[in-house]
Amino acid sequence: EADIYQTPRYLVIGTGKKITLECSQTMGHDKMYWYQQDPGMELHLIHYSYGVNSTEKGDLSSESTVSRIRTEHFPLTLESARPSHTSQYLCASSEGLARRDEQFFGPGTRLTVL
Amino acid sequence: AQSVAQPEDQVNVAEGNPLTVKCTYSVSGNPYLFWYVQYPNRGLQFLLKYITGDNLVKGSYGFEAEFNKSQTSFHLKKPSALVSDSALYFCAVRDGSTGANNLFFGTGTRLTVIP
Repeated sequence: EADIYQTPRYLVIGTGKKITLECSQTMGHDKMYWYQQDPGMELHLIHYSYGVNSTEKGDLSSESTVSRIRTEHFPLTLESARPSHTSQYLCASSEGLARRDEQFFGPGTRLTVL
Repeated sequence: AQSVAQPEDQVNVAEGNPLTVKCTYSVSGNPYLFWYVQYPNRGLQFLLKYITGDNLVKGSYGFEAEFNKSQTSFHLKKPSALVSDSALYFCAVRDGSTGANNLFFGTGTRLTVIP
């Protein structure tokens, strides 16, 4: 089983709150990703990182921001949560820069904004 | 542009019978194809991938998938289904010929194996 962790697993908050979703991996992987997944729908890439101090936006526009100060840590922040942000957020990592590498996923954070 | 289609939202199969979960893809270059499985309250787990070489790829838990370039398909198969195989299955594709790093996922197929 992959060593990639996400906290919290579930979060219910009110509109306007600032939240940070945590993601950590102990595999020393260079690349990390954040996906958004609505129930019964496909995953959409919202952010990714090639390594420390590298972050890029993905296909799906997102009001969230990310940082990569340490290799093992890739937190996602929403400055002011809204009901439209209600979704499941999945973090993933892969070993190197090769596009053939598979990704390892965390268990996800299910976010509900009231 | 890259895309993945999983035409079946739901697949039901009796335990012990063979199962197939369908996937077709579209990429402009060489396809890198992946299958992932998602169990309830758990993250996606990698099952297998096709990068190059033999069209029949074997993966975890007895699953295999066949790459068919002419039909642009990468169907997931297992000769004998187990109740524990019941889960949500995602096909994903990346264009191996470009510098793009994005992995495009299908909408998922829910597999239910009936005892």
